[in-house]
This record gives sequence, structure tokens and C-alpha cells, in this order.
Amino acid sequence: EPEVTQTPSHQVTQMGQEVILRCVPISNHLYFYWYRQILGQKVEFLVSFYNNEISEKSEIFDDQFSVERPDGSNFTLKIRSTKLEDSAMYFCASSETGGRQPQHFGDGTRLSIL
Amino acid sequence: QKEVEQNSGPLSVPEGAIASLNCTYSDRVSQSFFWYRQYSGKSPELIMSIYSNGDKEDGRFTAQLNKASQYVSLLIRDSQPSDSATYLCAVVKAAGNKLTFGGGTRVLVKP
Repeated sequence: EPEVTQTPSHQVTQMGQEVILRCVPISNHLYFYWYRQILGQKVEFLVSFYNNEISEKSEIFDDQFSVERPDGSNFTLKIRSTKLEDSAMYFCASSETGGRQPQHFGDGTRLSIL
Repeated sequence: QKEVEQNSGPLSVPEGAIASLNCTYSDRVSQSFFWYRQYSGKSPELIMSIYSNGDKEDGRFTAQLNKASQYVSLLIRDSQPSDSATYLCAVVKAAGNKLTFGGGTRVLVKP
């Protein structure tokens, strides 16, 4: 069964550094998403991406964050000048279309900021 | 008021019994409803989607939706120890794409 793949599985970074989290969505899916889950808290939406542009973003997704689809398969989340509170699990998801279509999640990247 | 609310649990059920999980949502324009299962340290895994009032069954799982009451539920029949996990209710509003998650209900199935 097709799946969303994320790399790396665990990223440890010094505060203030930049990180790039990578995702390969399911190949025929058109909508891509990033969510995060701080330990012990609920899953929170960050951003959705369609047709090479952001379609929706949350208040969390400020100027520190950016997304990109650099080629036909990868979808990346860049976090600039990381802070301690950015430590969380980051999940990439994709869906065939938007709205009603179920979103399928990757295994996540655990980001630890020291 | 939280957008999507779930009882955090834990909901403890004996093996073979029915687990009943509830979820309420605040925004009436919500149109799509999903149940995900999340094992500790893992990612959310889609179990069910439901869009219309009524029941939808898939194997041992039944989702129930009541839009008038802004309520969606999940029944797990013949609960197995492997069903022990946190179950997340998620909602998508009309004309939107983002999933809004509840905090999840932790289920413990005891042999």
C-alpha cells in the first residue's frame, strides 16, 4: 500500500539553527500538509499546500516556517532559527484532493532542540 | 469552548467487549469527520471517515454521526489488546482542508 515517507526519523539541532524536514507524499495525491504534536498534547495543523502554493496556514505557521516542493516528489518544511518550543513530532500528510478526502500520515520526524 | 472535544480517558474495557468513544465539535459548518488511531510514539492511522448522518460500519468499527447534536462516536466491537491506543477524532470544516483534532481518548483493553 502506498505510504507517506518522512526523513529523518529523529533530528537533534542546537537552538538557533535551521532545520529542514523532508516528506515524500503518496504519488497520486495533490494536497500536502504539515502537522505537529508537542509531547502529551494534541495534533496541531500547521499548513496545507496545493498546486505549488500554500492553501491554508495556522497562526503557528509564522515567518519562521516555510514549505517547498522542490521537485516532483519531495515536500519540505523549513524551520529557521529554531527555538526550544519547536521540539515536537512533525507529521507530513497527503490526500488525493482536499476537503472530504482522508489524509494519510507519515511516521513523523521527532525534532529535538537543545 | 474547544473546537473538538473528547474524554481523555483512559477507557478501560475487557477483551471482547465493546468500546464506545465520543466526540463533540463546536462548528456547525463541519462537514467531514475522521477517526484516527495513534499508538504511543507513532503517527495517526486512519480508521474511519464519515460524512453523513447515521452509522457507517467497517469490520469491527462503527462510526456514528449526528450533525444536529454535533456529535460523532466510534464503537469498537470485540475489543482486542492490540486496540489499546489513543483514538483521535478529527474534523474538517466546509470549504477547508485542515484537520482539527481533539485531544484523543486513551483506550486500554485488558485481557
